[in-house]
Amino acid sequence: GENVEQHPSTLSVQEGDSAVIKCTYSDSASNYFPWYKQELGKRPQLIIDIRSNVGEKKDQRIAVTLNKTAKHFSLHITETQPEDSAVYFCAASRYYGQNFVFGPGTRLSVLP
Amino acid sequence: EAGVVQSPRYKIIEKKQPVAFWCNPISGHNTLYWYLQNLGQGPELLIRYENEEAVDDSQLPKDRFSAERLKGVDSTLKIQPAELGDSAVYLCASSLGGLAGESETQYFGPGTRLLVL
Repeated sequence: GENVEQHPSTLSVQEGDSAVIKCTYSDSASNYFPWYKQELGKRPQLIIDIRSNVGEKKDQRIAVTLNKTAKHFSLHITETQPEDSAVYFCAASRYYGQNFVFGPGTRLSVLP
Repeated sequence: EAGVVQSPRYKIIEKKQPVAFWCNPISGHNTLYWYLQNLGQGPELLIRYENEEAVDDSQLPKDRFSAERLKGVDSTLKIQPAELGDSAVYLCASSLGGLAGESETQYFGPGTRLLVL
């Protein structure tokens, strides 16, 4: 089955700096890669996703890049703000939610 | 539009007791997921439904866990009997399903926090 690894497990950045979180996956048939943000005690919320037919997607300060050959994808957050502090999870799946697996998470702290 | 609804939000029980969690997905969402999330870890899939059919239950500990989605809408997850190690947050999610664009996007409920004493 699918195995998703995520690095780093914790990340501290100064406000205004950029943050990058990287994930690798094992199933070459995976083609959907979402990123979720989870604040303490709250539900995971989708912040951005990418499908295998594109290599990069951007939404304001957030971007995701995908390298299918190397089987890794990354989340980039620019101009970080204290409210970006949370745990971020990557995930990978095949079409229609098959074999959906989350990474272990990255705790991001944005220091004022 | 209402999001995914779960109840109860919190549950404290003694070990060996039964417990049940309920989930109502977003209206029109055909796919429903139950996840277990331990503290500091990512959600782990327990079971996935396509309408009323359980299409992936390979990670569900079937000796004590059971789930149903009889009419293809709301769903119940049950544990009987509960063990100390079952203490976790149980998350429900739903997605549109099918072949339409954005069909895989999962929307999560607030979760049920279970504590087994």
